[in-house]
Amino acid sequence: DIQMTQSPSTLSASVGDRVTITCRASQSIRSWLAWYQQKPGKAPKVLISKASSLESGVPSRFSGSGSGTDFTLTISSLQPDDFATYHCQQYNTYPWTFGQGTKVEIK
Amino acid sequence: QVQLQQWGAGLLKSSETLSLTCAVYGESFSDYYWTWIRQPPGKGLEWIGEINDSGNINYNPSLKSRVTMSVDTSKRQFSVKLSSVTAADTAVYYCARGGGRVDPWGQGTLVTVSS
Repeated sequence: DIQMTQSPSTLSASVGDRVTITCRASQSIRSWLAWYQQKPGKAPKVLISKASSLESGVPSRFSGSGSGTDFTLTISSLQPDDFATYHCQQYNTYPWTFGQGTKVEIK
Repeated sequence: QVQLQQWGAGLLKSSETLSLTCAVYGESFSDYYWTWIRQPPGKGLEWIGEINDSGNINYNPSLKSRVTMSVDTSKRQFSVKLSSVTAADTAVYYCARGGGRVDPWGQGTLVTVSS
């Protein structure tokens, strides 16, 4: 299986901060990576697919980049609604696998 | 816009079989893979597998020996069964539209396995 490793596991930030979350794959997944946001008690919601394609309705402060094994999710200016857990997922090779999640907390 | 609604037993005893069903409303049921994903309390997401309307299936090898997925195209429903459950199978189980990126998701069902 392809292992997905996110860093950091927890991130403390303030409203207005620029936030970057990293996801590293154990082998190349080309650009077949998605990012999800999950709030407590809710199902995840897709933010970005194919590494950098912003999903419809997702604010433009979210952006994704990378290819191969190294990827980043950036929130350009953190908003109160963005405090949540973020997951990356590879869909290049079965079985699809997820990172362990990054919790973005209020500083 | 597609919506998913799932249901199934939420409390099981060890060695029993987990059974969940998901109904798809809205857009086409065909041409997509339909997936199951689980999340143990406080942990990350685990992909269980996926099935399409033709019955083509991909399972996670880690669960393959215990998982069975099925689809009923006439009812626009798909299901998962997980046999011989243990406490390690306690999780919130989600149905979703898959085939790659996963969207949208069902509301989730907490399945608790007691000994």
